[in-house]
Order: sequence, then C-alpha cells, then structure tokens
Amino acid sequence: AQKVTQAQTEISVVEKEDVTLDCVYETRDTTYYLFWYKQPPSGELVFLIRRNSFDEQNEISGRYSWNFQKSTSSFNFTITASQVVDSAVYFCALSEANQAGTALIFGKGTTLSVSS
Amino acid sequence: DTGVSQNPRHKITKRGQNVTFRCDPISEHNRLYWYRQTLGQGPEFLTYFQNEAQLEKSRLLSDRFSAERPKGSFSTLEIQRTEQGDSAMYLCASSLVFGGSGYTFGSGTRLTVV
Repeated sequence: AQKVTQAQTEISVVEKEDVTLDCVYETRDTTYYLFWYKQPPSGELVFLIRRNSFDEQNEISGRYSWNFQKSTSSFNFTITASQVVDSAVYFCALSEANQAGTALIFGKGTTLSVSS
Repeated sequence: DTGVSQNPRHKITKRGQNVTFRCDPISEHNRLYWYRQTLGQGPEFLTYFQNEAQLEKSRLLSDRFSAERPKGSFSTLEIQRTEQGDSAMYLCASSLVFGGSGYTFGSGTRLTVV
C-alpha cells in the first residue's frame, strides 16, 4: 500500500534559521513520483517540486532544496534562511505511474511557523 | 486563464440538505480531480475525470456523492443528504498530462454542515 508519513506536525523557527521538513514514503512500485506542495492560509495548494523515482539528484531552487534518498525512502525539504512568508502547511505527496493518471497520496502535512 | 476556479468559496448548509460545488479547470487541461481535506489532514482523493469520462473513484465517495464533467470542461460535485462528517474543504485540481509540473489546484470550497 502507498503511504506518505510526515512525522513533524508543527515546526517553529525564527527568521533566518534553516529548517528541514521530513517525508518518508512507502510504495511497492519501482516507478513513482514525489511532490511537495505549500498550502498558505488562503488554502490553495502551490506546487513546489516533482521528482521521479529514477532521478535521485538533489535539487536546489533559491532558498529551497530537496534531498531524495531511495535507500531510506525519504524526500526531505530544506528551507535555508527562512522568512515569515514561508509560514504555511507543507505537504509531501506520492503518485504511482500508471496509464490512468493516478491521484496523489498526501501526507498529513507539517505546519511551519516562522517568526520575525 | 488564471488557474483553477472553484465556487462557492464557502458553503454552510443544514444537515440533510443537498449541495453542489463547481470547478472550472485550466481550459486546456483534460484531467480533473476532486479531493477532500479535513482539518489537520492532507487532501484525500475522491474522483478523477479524463475529459468527460469518470475513470476512477475512491471508496471515500459514498453513494451520496456524485460528480459530473459534462462536455469535458467544468465539473460539479454534488453531495446529497449532507451529514456533519461531510464538513471539509473540497479541492479541485486539473492537469494536462500525468506528472510534469503536477496538478494545479483551486482554492477549494469549504463546506460546513450544521
């Protein structure tokens, strides 16, 4: 069965601190996709990144970076020099590749609070 | 096209009433998804359309729920005989192809059943 676990329910940091959000997934498929979404108070889910299971290269986009490790089934997300605008709920999600366009399986989310 | 649009943004209804939500996807997207999100949880998949065909339904979609996508454009999600447990945020997403930049989500419709 597919499952995404985000063990950290809430994290509070002070501006400019680095913070890592953990994501552990379970799947029996060898081909799958992993995603991170940001959900600000407005409610809309904002796409951050997609990685496929064959690409384990770490990725950096500005202050955001992602560490994908198949050996530990983890896809962690780090925000460097956090800012107040980073405050939101962050979701890790998994989808398995098949022809039907499968749905995303989300974790329960991590609420990040960044104070000034 | 400014993204996925959902209406209404908020809906308060009495238990037992029927409600209908609308989703307008990005116009060129042929895939449309409905999700439900309760407080403190991640979104849970409800159903999926490719064009006008409903291709997948979650076991969460009880017989009180029905979704349509006539003509493969906008979609509606109807809940009949609402129950307090139906209170949630209902999210719509659309995509052009599987994967890629993923799914574009709307801002959701928040349903409160009193």
